[in-house]
Amino acid sequence: QLQLQESGPGLVKPSETLSLTCTVSGDSISSGTYYWGWIRQPPGQGLEWTGTFYNSRSTYHNPSLKNRVTMSVDTSKNRFSLNLTSVTAADTAVYFCARLGFYSNSAYLDVWGQGALVIVSS
Amino acid sequence: EIVLTQSPATLSLSPGERATLSCRASQSVSSHLVWYQQKPGQAPRLLIYDASNRATGIPARFSGSGSGTDFTLTISNLEPGDVAVYYCQQRTHWPSLTFGGGTRVEIK
Repeated sequence: QLQLQESGPGLVKPSETLSLTCTVSGDSISSGTYYWGWIRQPPGQGLEWTGTFYNSRSTYHNPSLKNRVTMSVDTSKNRFSLNLTSVTAADTAVYFCARLGFYSNSAYLDVWGQGALVIVSS
Repeated sequence: EIVLTQSPATLSLSPGERATLSCRASQSVSSHLVWYQQKPGQAPRLLIYDASNRATGIPARFSGSGSGTDFTLTISNLEPGDVAVYYCQQRTHWPSLTFGGGTRVEIK
């Protein structure tokens, strides 16, 4: 059974870098079948797409994050990571990693991690 | 950018009633509309993809319809366990994904 688990610091200081890792079990992220992504949810608010990747050469991020996002993949450990630089309080959110599947031309997030709350505060 | 507008913001119904949730797109997304359910303190769960296809394990009480700009999620025979926020999502301008603001379903 596919499972995703986010990990990383729960508290980050303003202007520093937020780093999260998503460890995948039950499937290989290098199989080439799926995309993988990050979605965040500020406290009490809705969902916001953060970034998606297919492999280390095909990564995409939300333009609203103004190039502060980098994503990387460690296929040897079957995990992928999110780095968000120059964080502010507005980046406080629960960060979810998820698998992205496709049907026809629909793209849907069919397996989610439990989420990791990251608070930006000094 | 395609904007998804969900209505109503909150829906309060009694057990056994039918819930009708709306998602309207600012321009056509064809049938490429997805619905999720998020219960308090949990990650979202995939309900419906491509407007009307139920995901694996989703009860038949949940149904989706629509195409173009207007979509509906219907929950028949509402149960207390259906209390959640429901989100729609589209991917027309791949690789961007956008979500609607959500509809909260409450039980009276």
